Amino acid sequence: QVQLQESGPGLVKPSQTLSLTCTVSGASISSGSYYWSWIRQPAGKGLEWIGRIYTSGSTNYNPSLKSRVTISLDTSKNQFSLRLSSVTATDTAVYYCARDRLTMVGGVDTFAFDIWGQGTMVTVSS
Amino acid sequence: DIQMTQSPSSLSASVGDRVTITCRASQSISGYLNWYQHKPGKAPKLLIYAASNLESGVPSRFSGSGSGTDFTLTISSLQPEDFATYYCQQIYSTPWTFGQGTKVEIK
Repeated sequence: QVQLQESGPGLVKPSQTLSLTCTVSGASISSGSYYWSWIRQPAGKGLEWIGRIYTSGSTNYNPSLKSRVTISLDTSKNQFSLRLSSVTATDTAVYYCARDRLTMVGGVDTFAFDIWGQGTMVTVSS
Repeated sequence: DIQMTQSPSSLSASVGDRVTITCRASQSISGYLNWYQHKPGKAPKLLIYAASNLESGVPSRFSGSGSGTDFTLTISSLQPEDFATYYCQQIYSTPWTFGQGTKVEIK
């Protein structure tokens, strides 16, 4: 059974860098047709996709955050990480990591977040 | 970015009711749409992928339909464990985007 678990500081000061790690258990992060994503949800708001990384190391980022985001992979630890620089109060949110599964449906590739972590609350405040 | 709009934002229903949630995309996304269920404090759960494909382990009372810009999630007979917030998500082009959510509450 594949599980994802986020970890990292729950409080980050404005202008600093938010760093979170997602540990994958039950499967190798390098195997299969999967991307590994970060998603966040500010209190009372909807879900926002931050970006993702493939096992090759290639990344896709949300343009709204691209200048501040770095997602990386550590296959030796079966982990992937998020760094978000120059944070402000608007970055306060629950952050989720998720597996972005590639599936072929009707001959066409499609994606879906099939496994999520429980989420971790990050507050940006001095 | 592709904007996803869900309706209604919330609804009240009773156990056993048939519930329908609508999701509209700002442009055609073919069948590139997923549905998730989210309960407070829990990880979101994939229900439907590629518009109409039921995720393994998800009860058959959940179904999805639609193509192009208009999609529907239907719960055929609402159960107590179905009270949650539901989100649609487009996977036609990055950045992936979600609807604002539909909260299903107990009447």
